[in-house]
Amino acid sequence: EVQLVESGGGLVQPGRSLRLSCAASGFTFDNYAMHWVRQPPGKGLEWVSGISWNSNNIGYADSVKGRFTISRDNAKNSLYLQMNSLRDEDMALYYCAKDRYGDLDASDIWGQGTMVTVSS
Amino acid sequence: DIQMTQSPSSLSASVGDRVTITCRASQGISSYLNWYQQKPGKAPKLLIYAASSLQSGVPSRFSGSGSGTDFTLTISSLQPEDFATYYCQQSYSTPCSFGQGTKLEIK
Repeated sequence: EVQLVESGGGLVQPGRSLRLSCAASGFTFDNYAMHWVRQPPGKGLEWVSGISWNSNNIGYADSVKGRFTISRDNAKNSLYLQMNSLRDEDMALYYCAKDRYGDLDASDIWGQGTMVTVSS
Repeated sequence: DIQMTQSPSSLSASVGDRVTITCRASQGISSYLNWYQQKPGKAPKLLIYAASSLQSGVPSRFSGSGSGTDFTLTISSLQPEDFATYYCQQSYSTPCSFGQGTKLEIK
């Protein structure tokens, strides 16, 4: 069964850091690009970042550029999102999503998300 | 950056209706347009990729069309399980922006 399981969310103070992880199983992880997409409570989807299969193509939303870093470890079938200098507006449910291809395109498999709460 | 605008933001319809949702890109994106369905408390589900290609397992009542800047998602005959929020997304260039969503409600 294809599965993505996010972890690492929680309550964090503004200005602090958090690292999200996504464990993939049931497919050949290093063949596919991966994405992080977030959704603030009651609001729409926002694409946060994406990484190609070989990490050669990486993109970020303007709202997180310079603060967030996406990475992957193909040997561990894992995707990461290092989030620094967190702000109130970063509070959201963060989804890990598998791409249909090796480079950045549509996301065909999604995890259930991990919640990040930013509050003092 | 490319902005995606959906219309309408919300829509009321009845079971059996034909429904069309529109998505417009702020610049040409060829056919790099995807559609997702999201139900409350659930992760999004890919319906259509590359503007008109039906994702495996998605009912054939869903269809997509368009290229360049203007795209549509059509549901030919609404079923009770189709009441949800729908999002378009461009994957032409990063950031891979989403539209603001269209909430489809029961009339």
